[in-house]
Amino acid sequence: GAGVSQSPSNKVTEKGKDVELRCDPISGHTALYWYRQSLGQGLEFLIYFQGNSAPDKSGLPSDRFSAERTGGSVSTLTIQRTQQEDSAVYLCASSLAITETYEQYFGPGTRLTVT
Amino acid sequence: AQSVAQPEDQVNVAEGNPLTVKCTYSVSGNPYLFWYVQYPNRGLQFLLKYITGDNLVKGSYGFEAEFNKSQTSFHLKKPSALVSDSALYFCAVRKSGAGSYQLTFGKGTKLSVIP
Repeated sequence: GAGVSQSPSNKVTEKGKDVELRCDPISGHTALYWYRQSLGQGLEFLIYFQGNSAPDKSGLPSDRFSAERTGGSVSTLTIQRTQQEDSAVYLCASSLAITETYEQYFGPGTRLTVT
Repeated sequence: AQSVAQPEDQVNVAEGNPLTVKCTYSVSGNPYLFWYVQYPNRGLQFLLKYITGDNLVKGSYGFEAEFNKSQTSFHLKKPSALVSDSALYFCAVRKSGAGSYQLTFGKGTKLSVIP
């Protein structure tokens, strides 16, 4: 079946611009996660959503970062006033539920380059 | 706080030889442990997980991992390496119970299988 999809696959933006990254989780998966992968920091958790519960935003690095999930499915990660240190690959993952035993399935990522 | 250490940035092994990729973890309470593999320009693919029960878990593509509670380790193994196993491998942990559901990843180990 279809896996997690993300768009765009690549995004180049100028410093100071806003960007939106999109994630379509696997159908039926109620939990959705965002991670960031960069050379210096490895894989970092950003935020997760589970059903209608309030998201866990504890990993967001600054208030320039925000995310929403509409209708319990598609999610958008927004970065305002982008900075060069935001350059990274942004990975989305989904799982059947938020309970601990379910593995997360990852999308191919969006490579963000801030010039 | 939970953490994962992958002490080797790179592991080289000859094709047909056994391979081991090391992982140690730190987490309060019982751990849930995962291995993921990342091929160039691709997202992370789930390999295997330890939740409870038998300390030796088997996963995709002939990989297995052994959970050792006393040594807080979860090393990834394969009896006979293939050139196609060359990739970046990530170990991840999350703690059991309600609360923190995100994965904490190690920095990754690059595996090169030499023909």
